[in-house]
Amino acid sequence: EAEVAQSPRYKITEKSQAVAFWCDPISGHATLYWYRQILGQGPELLVQFQDESVVDDSQLPKDRFSAERLKGVDSTLKIQPAELGDSAMYLCASSSPGTSGSPGETQYFGPGTRLLVL
Amino acid sequence: ILNVEQSPQSLHVQEGDSTNFTCSFPSSNFYALHWYRWETAKSPEALFVMTLNGDEKKKGRISATLNTKEGYSYLYIKGSQPEDSATYLCAPQGGSEKLVFGKGTKLTVNP
Repeated sequence: EAEVAQSPRYKITEKSQAVAFWCDPISGHATLYWYRQILGQGPELLVQFQDESVVDDSQLPKDRFSAERLKGVDSTLKIQPAELGDSAMYLCASSSPGTSGSPGETQYFGPGTRLLVL
Repeated sequence: ILNVEQSPQSLHVQEGDSTNFTCSFPSSNFYALHWYRWETAKSPEALFVMTLNGDEKKKGRISATLNTKEGYSYLYIKGSQPEDSATYLCAPQGGSEKLVFGKGTKLTVNP
């Protein structure tokens, strides 16, 4: 069964350092999502891609976060510089070919990257 | 869609018990409701996507119902097993097409 891959699974860094997370969606999935889940909260969408284009990054803190999906396949989420409040689980998801993540389409999640900023 | 409420926050049951959780959401501008199961150290797993008022879906011992007019969905687990221990997340989806997740219900099934 195809899965969404993420790496690393765990990352510990010091504040002010740069960190990067990688996601490889299910093959053929045009829509890719990055979510952040702070402990005790539900996952929150940071950025959504349709192929290589950003569809929604309204909740992405653009002063320190960046995301790219250059060839419309895998994606990287970067934080620079990391702050203590960035400690969270970062989840990647993808959905099947459709128009920009059509409502009702199932999103398939990877196992996440747990980030701890010291 | 804002203000998604899931209750209870956590639940401990004995093996064999049946249980249910609630997801409440604003009924306006509704398109779909997603349920996920998230076991520790694993990927969130999609359980159901529901779109129609009165929808009922079933997967093994787990079932869900949807009331879009009053803005709630119930998830039922019949004869809970230890492997059902997980956090159950609901995520309504509205006109923005964005999934808005609740905080989840953490279920622990004791053997």
